Amino acid sequence: EVQLVESGGGLVKPGGSLRLSCVASGFTFKTYIMHWVRQAPGKGLEWVASISSGANYIHYADSVKGRFIISRDNAKTSLYLDMDSLRLEDTAVYYCARDYRDYQYFDKWGQGTQVAVSS
Amino acid sequence: EVVLTQSPATLSLSPGERATLSCRASQSISTSLAWYQQKPGQAPRLLIYDASNRATGIPARFSGSGSGTDFTLTIRSLEPEDFAVYYCQQRTSWPPMYTFGQGTKLEI
Repeated sequence: EVQLVESGGGLVKPGGSLRLSCVASGFTFKTYIMHWVRQAPGKGLEWVASISSGANYIHYADSVKGRFIISRDNAKTSLYLDMDSLRLEDTAVYYCARDYRDYQYFDKWGQGTQVAVSS
Repeated sequence: EVVLTQSPATLSLSPGERATLSCRASQSISTSLAWYQQKPGQAPRLLIYDASNRATGIPARFSGSGSGTDFTLTIRSLEPEDFAVYYCQQRTSWPPMYTFGQGTKLEI
């Protein structure tokens, strides 16, 4: 069974930093493109970042470019999101998601980890 | 940037009825569209990809149609567990950037 388990969320002050992790199991992690998608409280879904299977290609939403870094460790079947210069508007549930059909869709999602940015 | 507009924002129906949800793209996206279902406190679940293909394990009462700019998700004969929020999603060509519609809440 495919599982994606996120962790690392919490309460942080504006300007602070946080590292999110996602541990994958039940599939060959190293062969999949992976993504982070977030959802602000009571709002819709927003794609955040993508990373290719070998970490050669990385893409970010404009809203996080220059502040967030996506990375992965295929040996540990783990995906990461390093978040710096956090803003109030970064408050959201952050999901890791597995890619489906080469950068088209998201077929498996974790349960999410909550990030709250507040003074 | 392609904008996806979903309608209606809220759809009130009863179990056994047919639901028709709409997603309109601001420019043609061929059939590169997905639908997701999200229940309260849960992660989204992929229902439909490439506009009309059901994802693995999705019941046959869910169907998708459309191409270009107009897309429809149809749920034939609603079950109690179908009441949720539904999102459409697409990806621009390259570099990839993904957009979601604002969602349609399907309620009893």
